[in-house]
Amino acid sequence: GESVGLHLPTLSVQEGDNSIINCAYSNSASDYFIWYKQESGKGPQFIIDIRSNMDKRQGQRVTVLLNKTVKHLSLQIAATQPGDSAVYFCAVAGYSTLTFGKGTMLLVSP
Amino acid sequence: DAGVIQSPRHEVTEMGQEVTLRCKPISGHNSLFWYRQTMMRGLELLIYFNNNVPIDDSGMPEDRFSAKMPNASFSTLKIQPSEPRDSAVYFCASAVGRGNQPQHFGDGTRLSIL
Repeated sequence: GESVGLHLPTLSVQEGDNSIINCAYSNSASDYFIWYKQESGKGPQFIIDIRSNMDKRQGQRVTVLLNKTVKHLSLQIAATQPGDSAVYFCAVAGYSTLTFGKGTMLLVSP
Repeated sequence: DAGVIQSPRHEVTEMGQEVTLRCKPISGHNSLFWYRQTMMRGLELLIYFNNNVPIDDSGMPEDRFSAKMPNASFSTLKIQPSEPRDSAVYFCASAVGRGNQPQHFGDGTRLSIL
């Protein structure tokens, strides 16, 4: 089955810095990936997704990079703001469900 | 647009009691998921419905847990009898199509079993 892991459980940055959150996956056949943000007391919220026919996708202040060779994806947040403080999950699509990583907590200091 | 609606938001009860969690998915979504989230185990899929039919319940911990989806706009997750180790945040999510599409989550039910 699919396993999904995160390299860093907690990431602390200063406001205005760029943040990079990493995720590794195990199934080389995986073809769809999603990043979620979970704020305290709320459910995970969709941020951005990417399919395996792409290696980069950009949104508003966020970029997802996919390296299929090493089965790694990352979420980059530009000019991190205090409102970005949350837990970030990567999710990998299987045949019928998503498998979620354990999450990385991002702490942004003013 | 109304998102996924879960109730109650918080539940505190004594072990042995029956607990029922409720979920209203987003209108038009035909897949529904129940997850449990704990610090130790992260986000775990309990059960997945597609078109009101349970597709994968391999994540349901044991017979004390049951889930139903009587129609496209309502689902319940029941624990009977409840135990302290069931304490967690339970999330419901819905999606269009199969479960490997973006899922939209409710804000969860925080369950404490004393």
